[in-house]
Amino acid sequence: GDSVTQMEGPVTLSEEAFLTINCTYTATGYPSLFWYVQYPGEGLQLLLKATKADDKGSNKGFEATYRKETTSFHLEKGSVQVSDSAVYFCALSEDSSNTGKLIFGQGTTLQVKP
Amino acid sequence: DAGITQSPRHKVTETGTPVTLRCHQTENHRYMYWYRQDPGHGLRLIHYSYGVKDTDKGEVSDGYSVSRSKTEDFLLTLESATSSQTSVYFCAISGQGTYNEQFFGPGTRLTVL
Repeated sequence: GDSVTQMEGPVTLSEEAFLTINCTYTATGYPSLFWYVQYPGEGLQLLLKATKADDKGSNKGFEATYRKETTSFHLEKGSVQVSDSAVYFCALSEDSSNTGKLIFGQGTTLQVKP
Repeated sequence: DAGITQSPRHKVTETGTPVTLRCHQTENHRYMYWYRQDPGHGLRLIHYSYGVKDTDKGEVSDGYSVSRSKTEDFLLTLESATSSQTSVYFCAISGQGTYNEQFFGPGTRLTVL
């Protein structure tokens, strides 16, 4: 079945460092891809999305490009802040029936130190 | 913020007891979902609903049932709770299907002793 694999965490960076969180997927169809973020004690919220190959999603300085040839959707940010400390989830919507079901990766914890 | 609430927010219960978690939305969204979050597993779909009285199973549905008698409410029931169901449960809603984001509730932390 479809699946999402994220890099193991936790990732610890200093403020203003460059961030990459790797995400690869396996899907039989043409999924939509998402990054969600979870701040401590909260539910998940959408960070960015891409619905077809070569699309780039971006939000709050974060970017990810839908790469069909490498089945990847890596999350990047040029300069992280302490406030970016959170758990990041890559997800796909595998869905030919349009129910919007999501398959999540295991999550990557990011800690940014001042 | 999307109008989505979960109750209770925390619950401790004994093995073998029934438990019902409630998700309530004020957005009139068609789709509702129940996930559980466990370390090392991310979020896994338990059940989802695509309309009133229309529900279907997700990846980890064993031991869980759901009901949706009104657009705004989606109930998750553990008929006889087990320790393996200790988890954080999230409800999510979506207005449409594949291309639309899901909005998540604040979560319910359930401990089964």
